[in-house]
Amino acid sequence: DAKTTQPPSMDCAEGRAANLPCNHSTISGNEYVYWYRQIHSQGPQYIIHGLKNNETNEMASLIITEDRKSSTLILPHATLRDTAVYYCIVRADNYGQNFVFGPGTRLSVLP
Amino acid sequence: GAVVSQHPSRVICKSGTSVKIECRSLDFQATTMFWYRQFPKQSLMLMATSNEGSKATYEQGVEKDKFLINHASLTLSTLTVTSAHPEDSSFYICSARDGTGPTEAFFGQGTRLTVV
Repeated sequence: DAKTTQPPSMDCAEGRAANLPCNHSTISGNEYVYWYRQIHSQGPQYIIHGLKNNETNEMASLIITEDRKSSTLILPHATLRDTAVYYCIVRADNYGQNFVFGPGTRLSVLP
Repeated sequence: GAVVSQHPSRVICKSGTSVKIECRSLDFQATTMFWYRQFPKQSLMLMATSNEGSKATYEQGVEKDKFLINHASLTLSTLTVTSAHPEDSSFYICSARDGTGPTEAFFGQGTRLTVV
């Protein structure tokens, strides 16, 4: 079962920041927070992951609370092409362990 | 990021026939590959985990004799849907992990299977 809770849907205006929340109150000390997104009829795309420190890459920023029970994915300047389902996944750093997908958040970027 | 190529992207087959889907890691060696299935408006569901050179581990409820998985090399895994039926119509997605590199998994573009 997925260990995360996300809102089912969100809207964001084009050019504005999209802030996608994720609750993972039962996260273990060795579990990372991963974010993927899935654009319609495509495979999931890796976005970012982190353990406890905030992370930033060319796609997004990941803010993890100090108690690690929740996190926020930030797309700083959303575009129409960012419309997708966003999945927040927690998993241990174990090469043999799969990624368990919950229902995710359907983000709609509006013109 | 690393590239995982899945082929074909879509396939239509007749009931009772078999379909093979290929998943290749193009720029890394994938010691572990995962196969997922996704029905419309649903999330991805893991079908099986395959490790290079050994038998795949199937999730509960997934018929191993119907969904044959072969992971014969570090860059190729195949999923064969045998004796396909219309209820097998779905979006099949593979993912692969680099055994020595980053811990994130990379996903293929998916295969849309339609059984008529």
